[in-house]
Amino acid sequence: QSALTQPASVSGSPGQSITISCTGTSSDVGGYNSVSWYQQYPGKAPKLMIYDVSNRPSGVSHRFSGSKSGNTASLTISGLQAEDEADYYCASFASGDTLGVFGGGTKLTVL
Amino acid sequence: EVQLVESGGDLVQPGRSLRLSCTASGFSFGDYALSWFRQAPGKGLERLGHIRSTPTGGTTDYAASVKGRFTISRDDSKTIAYLQMNSLKTEDTAIYYCARGAYRFEFWGQGTLVTVSS
Repeated sequence: QSALTQPASVSGSPGQSITISCTGTSSDVGGYNSVSWYQQYPGKAPKLMIYDVSNRPSGVSHRFSGSKSGNTASLTISGLQAEDEADYYCASFASGDTLGVFGGGTKLTVL
Repeated sequence: EVQLVESGGDLVQPGRSLRLSCTASGFSFGDYALSWFRQAPGKGLERLGHIRSTPTGGTTDYAASVKGRFTISRDDSKTIAYLQMNSLKTEDTAIYYCARGAYRFEFWGQGTLVTVSS
């Protein structure tokens, strides 16, 4: 069982917005602004999409945004496109784990 | 351009050992932590451990699932990080990735496949 809880799957239609949640505790998500999100296509390496809760690396579309409230972080994808269909993972620094913690991943399906 | 390239993946029998390499380029290797992950078929990412940057001591941390069997090391002169895997089990079958960083992983390798089977 992963330390951070993500929904197993979410779906949306092209053009819509979807949000993926990532729930932890006050020892990880809630206690630090160190949440990151990764996108992974089948058979490919993960790609950093969001870091430090809401920052986008250079080259990542503005359609991707991150936020946090309490012990739950969220990844929002607006203007959903077919190419967004992938697995998404959240991760956080954690005071009780020197490796930090990861979520189990969410499969995004674009209908 | 930052690049990480894993190598060394192979088909090995249970109980044997294997060493993976992560060859880096495009950045000051010694100044960064390196992490190892794996992904079993159809499963999520599993963080295996990391080795800190040389200026911060180059120390290592491991996931409980591999502690005592896997060892991470680095050779800054060759800009290579290693993952030594001993006493391999069938459940170690996975794609193994290296990534730059300890808590934010902006650059990843393409992965190398390890299959443990008799």
